[in-house]
Amino acid sequence: DAKTTQPNSMESNEEEPVHLPCNHSTISGTDYIHWYRQLPSQGPEYVIHGLTSNVNNRMASLAIAEDRKSSTLILHRATLRDAAVYYCILSNYNQGGKLIFGQGTELSVKP
Amino acid sequence: SAVISQKPSRDICQRGTSLTIQCQVDSQVTMMFWYRQQPGQSLTLIATANQGSEATYESGFVIDKFPISRPNLTFSTLTVSNLSPEDSSIYLCSVWESAEAFFGQGTRLTVV
Repeated sequence: DAKTTQPNSMESNEEEPVHLPCNHSTISGTDYIHWYRQLPSQGPEYVIHGLTSNVNNRMASLAIAEDRKSSTLILHRATLRDAAVYYCILSNYNQGGKLIFGQGTELSVKP
Repeated sequence: SAVISQKPSRDICQRGTSLTIQCQVDSQVTMMFWYRQQPGQSLTLIATANQGSEATYESGFVIDKFPISRPNLTFSTLTVSNLSPEDSSIYLCSVWESAEAFFGQGTRLTVV
């Protein structure tokens, strides 16, 4: 399974944008880039995913490098509720939903 | 989106006993996944459960310790056997639907 590298922790101020980086230099052509987050005392929840093009949804944006070896999750305006551990995961759909979690980035948001 | 119900939400068990965790999904799914999250750690995949076949275990996990049942397309159980304090963790089940993974709220197990 291709691995991802993320910073252990990041800090943000409330209502400011947050850019969470992820390196995945060994990504294969069929790997999708997924982001999940885990709020305290909850199971992980889906944030966003993409293959090659940048993606936007109501929660966040995903910027994918042209060579696909890195990506950035963008939270446009951080709120206190966004404090969580964010996981960047590569998933090949042939594996049918099997996700291998790394250590993730713990995001703290200051008021 | 899939809705997953896990039972029990938490339990305290004596060492040497077993705990069976149930996972119910509100839709039919081909594969269900079981994860363990040790205190302060990330999630580790234990096994993949397919209906009608034996579960596929990840390296470091064995069927004798973590037997899994998958009797139909909406239900699975994970048993953690011969409990020791090192098994104290959160156990989560997950399903995949429309390119998105859904997780239960987890079962917090404490072994004393």
